[in-house]
Amino acid sequence: DGGITQSPKYLFRKEGQNVTLSCEQNLNHDAMYWYRQDPGQGLRLIYYSQIVNDFQKGDIAEGYSVSREKKESFPLTVTSAQKNPTAFYLCASSMPGQNNEQFFGPGTRLTVL
Amino acid sequence: GEDVEQSLFLSVREGDSSVINCTYTDSSSTYLYWYKQEPGAGLQLLTYIFSNMDMKQDQRLTVLLNKKDKHLSLRIADTQTGDSAIYFCAGLNTGGFKTIFGAGTRLFVKA
Repeated sequence: DGGITQSPKYLFRKEGQNVTLSCEQNLNHDAMYWYRQDPGQGLRLIYYSQIVNDFQKGDIAEGYSVSREKKESFPLTVTSAQKNPTAFYLCASSMPGQNNEQFFGPGTRLTVL
Repeated sequence: GEDVEQSLFLSVREGDSSVINCTYTDSSSTYLYWYKQEPGAGLQLLTYIFSNMDMKQDQRLTVLLNKKDKHLSLRIADTQTGDSAIYFCAGLNTGGFKTIFGAGTRLFVKA
């Protein structure tokens, strides 16, 4: 089955620690995205990548980093510089040029204690 | 900048129609979307409309687009308890790559 997976579903970390969230897709999509979801604020774009080995900052990139070494994978690192990291993180992928429908993973809920 | 606004809550009785409204600022958006999010899950595309259309119907779903007023609506006919979820309005920005999402409307369906 084609799809997009995120792991783990729940993640707990102590303040000051970096943490990496996994995102993998087997849809052969060129573009991948990371969003942060907070209650009442919708989805805010953290980083996106249009193609392998290239990525751009979104609207709230400070305190986050990404890599895109493989087409299938787009991991997100939440660094200790992120002031308020507790949130629900969603990864998505799309094939630009069509209707740009985004396919979302199930999300990772990060709690920093 | 680009923005998409929608009301945060809507409550309807089972069997009634639900209408979720949205306004957007980017008049050059080529595609406008409605996504659905179940609790604790990712988003799934429900339907979309191309900017040169006024209406699109897909089974129980009707999307209306008023480009002049930059207003998008989603009507769900015969709303069921399984329709309870958060519904996100979104638009593809002028550059054709970034999708701008609204804050989401939480739909409660009372039995």
